[in-house]
Amino acid sequence: GENVEQHPSTLSVQEGDSAVIKCTYSDSASNYFPWYKQELGKRPQLIIDIRSNVGEKKDQRIAVTLNKTAKHFSLHITETQPEDSAVYFCAAAGTASKLTFGTGTRLQVTL
Amino acid sequence: DSGVTQTPKHLITATGQRVTLRCSPRSGDLSVYWYQQSLDQGLQFLIQYYNGEERAKGNILERFSAQQFPDLHSELNLSSLELGDSALYFCASSVLSYNEQFFGPGTRLTVL
Repeated sequence: GENVEQHPSTLSVQEGDSAVIKCTYSDSASNYFPWYKQELGKRPQLIIDIRSNVGEKKDQRIAVTLNKTAKHFSLHITETQPEDSAVYFCAAAGTASKLTFGTGTRLQVTL
Repeated sequence: DSGVTQTPKHLITATGQRVTLRCSPRSGDLSVYWYQQSLDQGLQFLIQYYNGEERAKGNILERFSAQQFPDLHSELNLSSLELGDSALYFCASSVLSYNEQFFGPGTRLTVL
């Protein structure tokens, strides 16, 4: 089955800096890659996603890039703010539609 | 608010007991997914239903079962509970089987 690896497990950046989180997946049939943000004790919230026919997608300060050849995708957050502090999960899904999640990255944005 | 509702919010029970978790998907969503989130295992896919039928299965224990009813709400039944079943259980829904998934607020299960 699919296996998703996520790095780093923790990331601390200063407010205004950029943050990058990277994921790799194993199943070449996977073609949908969402990113979720989860604040403590709350539900995972979909923040951006990308499908395999697209190499990059941007939504304001958030962007995701996908390299299908290398089987990796990344989340980029620019101009980080304290409210960006949370745990971020990447995920991958193929024809079965079930999401396989990475292990999460705890992002801390310091003032 | 994603539009997905889950009840109860918290559940405390004893080992060996059986519980039922309930999920109502967003209006118009046909697909329901169940996930388990524990501290050491992250988010694990359990099972998916689409318009009343089981569509995909993950690492769901035989002690666990689920169903989706004609009104599209879903229930996850956990039986012979063990301490290790303590976790957050999330339900998610999507319009079709292959689409963005939106999560409910979760049910926190504590097995004592």
